Amino acid sequence: GENVEQHPSTLSVQEGDSAVIKCTYSDSASNYFPWYKQELGKRPQLIIDIRSNVGEKKDQRIAVTLNKTAKHFSLHITETQPEDSAVYFCAASTSGTYKYIFGTGTRLKVLA
Amino acid sequence: EPEVTQTPSHQVTQMGQEVILRCVPISNHLYFYWYRQILGQKVEFLVSFYNNEISEKSEIFDDQFSVERPDGSNFTLKIRSTKLEDSAMYFCASSGAQVVEAFFGQGTRLTVV
Repeated sequence: GENVEQHPSTLSVQEGDSAVIKCTYSDSASNYFPWYKQELGKRPQLIIDIRSNVGEKKDQRIAVTLNKTAKHFSLHITETQPEDSAVYFCAASTSGTYKYIFGTGTRLKVLA
Repeated sequence: EPEVTQTPSHQVTQMGQEVILRCVPISNHLYFYWYRQILGQKVEFLVSFYNNEISEKSEIFDDQFSVERPDGSNFTLKIRSTKLEDSAMYFCASSGAQVVEAFFGQGTRLTVV
């Protein structure tokens, strides 16, 4: 079945450094890739998304890149701040389906 | 900003009992979802609902589970006979179309004892 792998499972960075989280998806027909941030005890919230017709998208300190050939997509956070500390989930979805397949999550800790 | 709301926030139930988790999706959304998250694990898809019927369901969503949209605003998940392994955070989500952002509710933490 469809699967999304996510690495690393935990990531610690110093404040101001960059963080990169990588995901690999199995369904080559997947065409929508959202990233969700989940703070402790709270709901997942979308931070950025990308569609398969685009290779990169940026929103201030956050960017996502997509390599369709390799079926990889990555989240890049620059100039990290303590409030970036959370669990980040990647997900993949495919037109014609009615679900998002989530990765296993990355716990990001930004050390002040 | 419109939000998906879920009630209750926390439910404790005895094994074998029925529970109903309630959700009010964003009002103009057409697609509704239930996901669950066992503590410390990833978010898992359970079921999606569109046009008053189930669109897709996972292998987790067996005969013990059912969903309903009893009126124009509520979307419910029923577990008929709860098991210990049903203990998880259950998230309702809605979206305005397929393959777009899904908005999540704040979750219902279900504890089966």
